[in-house]
Amino acid sequence: DTAVSQTPKYLVTQMGNDKSIKCEQNLGHDTMYWYKQDSKKFLKIMFSYNNKELIINETVPNRFSPKSPDKAHLNLHINSLELGDSAVYFCASSQRVSGRTDTQYFGPGTRLTVL
Amino acid sequence: SQQGEEDPQALSIQEGENATMNCSYKTSINNLQWYRQNSGRGLVHLILIRSNEREKHSGRLRVTLDTSKKSSSLLITASRAADTASYFCATGSTGANSKLTFGKGITLSVRP
Repeated sequence: DTAVSQTPKYLVTQMGNDKSIKCEQNLGHDTMYWYKQDSKKFLKIMFSYNNKELIINETVPNRFSPKSPDKAHLNLHINSLELGDSAVYFCASSQRVSGRTDTQYFGPGTRLTVL
Repeated sequence: SQQGEEDPQALSIQEGENATMNCSYKTSINNLQWYRQNSGRGLVHLILIRSNEREKHSGRLRVTLDTSKKSSSLLITASRAADTASYFCATGSTGANSKLTFGKGITLSVRP
């Protein structure tokens, strides 16, 4: 009965590789997010999708490409991984209310280590 | 850009004591939220206070919001060792593509 799940939990890979992280939510929410948390625990939003439509796209290298096949899933594909991509990536979901941001539910995170 | 700034950055208290954490922000907000993150886990929502509210309670948590000073505080009363975690404030913006902007977090250690 996990609300927001991510796979994999850990990802260790070499520089230059391409990898994907998957996220699924069973809360019936219409909005999903990707956040990056660096080694100092600073959490920054990367992308947000509402009903499969991209609504937030922060200043993120275009090596990062999100994909939302349906409202319950939001995947993150990263091309040509760099050392600086090492971080914990969190998926989150919420039910969008017009004009405001309400409670978000976070997944357990994916720790990405680029060697 | 970062919105919330928590204070202090780290706090260590004895079990049973109260813990007070502060958050300041810079721009207009729709709401302010506090989240907890246990080591190696995802963030868990604790409480949300809207811009037209001044105080809110949830169990042992008390949150205040002063929009004139652009600041909020989170009080945890009668702390327990299980409260040991990082605490983040997050400001919710207004508008069509509203989003949450998180602070750097406060590390709370509660000694048994």
